[in-house]
Amino acid sequence: QVQLQESGPGLVKASETLSLSCTVSGGSISSHHWSWIRQSPGKGLEWIGYIYYSGSTNYNPSLKSRLTMSVDTSKNQFSLRLSSVTAADTAVYFCARGFTDSGGFYYDAFDLWGQGTTVTVSS
Amino acid sequence: QSVLTQPPSVSGAPGQRVTISCTGNSSNIGAGYDVHWYQQIPGTAPKLLIYGNNNRPSGVPDRFSGSKSGTSASLAITGLQAEDEADYYCQTYDSSLSGSHVIFGRGTKLTVL
Repeated sequence: QVQLQESGPGLVKASETLSLSCTVSGGSISSHHWSWIRQSPGKGLEWIGYIYYSGSTNYNPSLKSRLTMSVDTSKNQFSLRLSSVTAADTAVYFCARGFTDSGGFYYDAFDLWGQGTTVTVSS
Repeated sequence: QSVLTQPPSVSGAPGQRVTISCTGNSSNIGAGYDVHWYQQIPGTAPKLLIYGNNNRPSGVPDRFSGSKSGTSASLAITGLQAEDEADYYCQTYDSSLSGSHVIFGRGTKLTVL
């Protein structure tokens, strides 16, 4: 079955750039939207943004100025870069798949998630 | 701060019925966007429980149901079981002057007594 796996550094220094990748295995990335979602104790779940296999994106307005998402269909992988990080960016980062029902209708919901990776921003 | 309001906690005894509310406004739920619900066991990723207001993905028991009316939505769990103890989140789409994006509620902790 399709699985998602996040990878990247668990520790990032303040003011630097956080970079994470999500590898899609058992299926093709060339369908669905692919999102990043983070969770911190103080703010709950926060949607970061999504990317389609074509490269089109939709970002959370609150993060848009610092955010870049990309996709590499040859590696079945999509990535996140968040610049100028602060302690507020410390969180568990999940990658997730946009849900399409059996009739092919797309919903802005997420039916498949990676296990999550903890990123701590240090000063 | 989330624009979707959920009660911080709810509780119920095994076999009982509980509901979790999710209140939004005219730029999200009231604008007609679908509401989705997730169950999260601490330390694990969220699991999609309800999509499109009242639909269950394959494998989700029919003890779980969703509804939506006006600017609010609700998740109902009947025949409460110990394994239902988890955090529950609602999610929808918001369209405002700052842009359109996915939003989540702050979550509700369900305790099975």
